[in-house]
Amino acid sequence: DAKTTQPTSMDCAEGRAANLPCNHSTISGNEYVYWYRQIHSQGPQYIIHGLKNNETNEMASLIITEDRKSSTLILPHATLRDTAVYYCIVRVRRADTGTASKLTFGTGTRLQVTL
Amino acid sequence: GAGVSQSPSNKVTEKGKDVELRCDPISGHTALYWYRQSLGQGLEFLIYFQGNSAPDKSGLPSDRFSAERTGGSVSTLTIQRTQQEDSAVYLCASSLRGAPDTQYFGPGTRLTVL
Repeated sequence: DAKTTQPTSMDCAEGRAANLPCNHSTISGNEYVYWYRQIHSQGPQYIIHGLKNNETNEMASLIITEDRKSSTLILPHATLRDTAVYYCIVRVRRADTGTASKLTFGTGTRLQVTL
Repeated sequence: GAGVSQSPSNKVTEKGKDVELRCDPISGHTALYWYRQSLGQGLEFLIYFQGNSAPDKSGLPSDRFSAERTGGSVSTLTIQRTQQEDSAVYLCASSLRGAPDTQYFGPGTRLTVL
């Protein structure tokens, strides 16, 4: 998996957009960018993934730079319930084998949404 | 639709007792994973099931740990003769065949061994 760098923590006011950056300057052509989050005392939650095009779903948008060396996860209208640790993972699409497909998280960004 | 469910949500047991943790994956998901997460730590892979194939048990920390998956759906993780170091949150995740990178997690079972 390519190395990723994320800020340790960020704050965001409720109702504003939360923009979470991820640097992955050593990404290779067949590696995808995945985002997960983990709210306190809950299991991790898949958010979104992409290869090179920007992606949007009901939870968030993913903006990947043209050179693919960095990306930004955007929560358009953050709420208090979005307070969590957000993990950016860069890796090739895995085959369906256990050990190879296991998820490994780095330290992530702790997002605190405030009133 | 229903997500991954796990039971119990909390389990407190005495050292040396056996415990069983249950996971009910999302319907149609053929892949099932068990992880554990100690306080403030990352995910530790335990075991993986894919359809009717033999499970990948390479992450199980000792022979006190075992898991089964009946009928390709519900899975049970069993820990025999529990030790204090087994205390952790045990997480179950499932995914569609061919999409192991998008895993859907249950809420976890918090195990405390006294």
